[in-house]
Amino acid sequence: GAGVSQSPRYKVAKRGQDVALRCDPISGHVSLFWYQQALGQGPEFLTYFQNEAQLDKSGLPSDRFFAERPEGSVSTLKIQRTQQEDSAVYLCASSLFVAGGDTQYFGPGTRLTVL
Amino acid sequence: KNEVEQSPQNLTAQEGEFITINCSYSVGISALHWLQQHPGGGIVSLFMLSSGKKKHGRLIATINIQEKHSSLHITASHPRDSAVYICGSGSFGNEKLTFGTGTRLTIIP
Repeated sequence: GAGVSQSPRYKVAKRGQDVALRCDPISGHVSLFWYQQALGQGPEFLTYFQNEAQLDKSGLPSDRFFAERPEGSVSTLKIQRTQQEDSAVYLCASSLFVAGGDTQYFGPGTRLTVL
Repeated sequence: KNEVEQSPQNLTAQEGEFITINCSYSVGISALHWLQQHPGGGIVSLFMLSSGKKKHGRLIATINIQEKHSSLHITASHPRDSAVYICGSGSFGNEKLTFGTGTRLTIIP
């Protein structure tokens, strides 16, 4: 595809339910990022992959959050036992090379609402 | 810890006005990013710069490395420029970006 895609676009979960959010980066992009954006705030870094290697997961808020990118392309962010404070938009971004000095291309996000 | 602050938080202007949005950061950076987020959430990367100035159409981004400050300017503003503008900085040796809380811009016809 031409850009970064994410699915689902919207997810409503009951508290305690597990969810999985998918990100399809631009083909060939080495770097992949997950961000969490609360209402009225800027995106907050969650985790970073370079190919299949998860090089930084310092932003994951708890051990209920887990991300993988097993083949270096598609990535999944999994949240176990969701809580109301997990409600946010989850953004995925990819960049061709190393991202500090490279443009990041963002997906449309997945809006997660935990009831 | 790198902190990014933007001002103003909200800005309303008349169509045609010259717009300036400011961004300050606290540590040395590898690059400064400006993003545009429209209602509905889609984010578009506008600029990435590490020095000087970049221009794209009616948008201009500048950065002063010594003062750790960047500005985004919009000339001849138009209602379709209404969006949230977010700046983010990347630090040396650290790939993640730290973002400000955004500036909500509303251009009135």
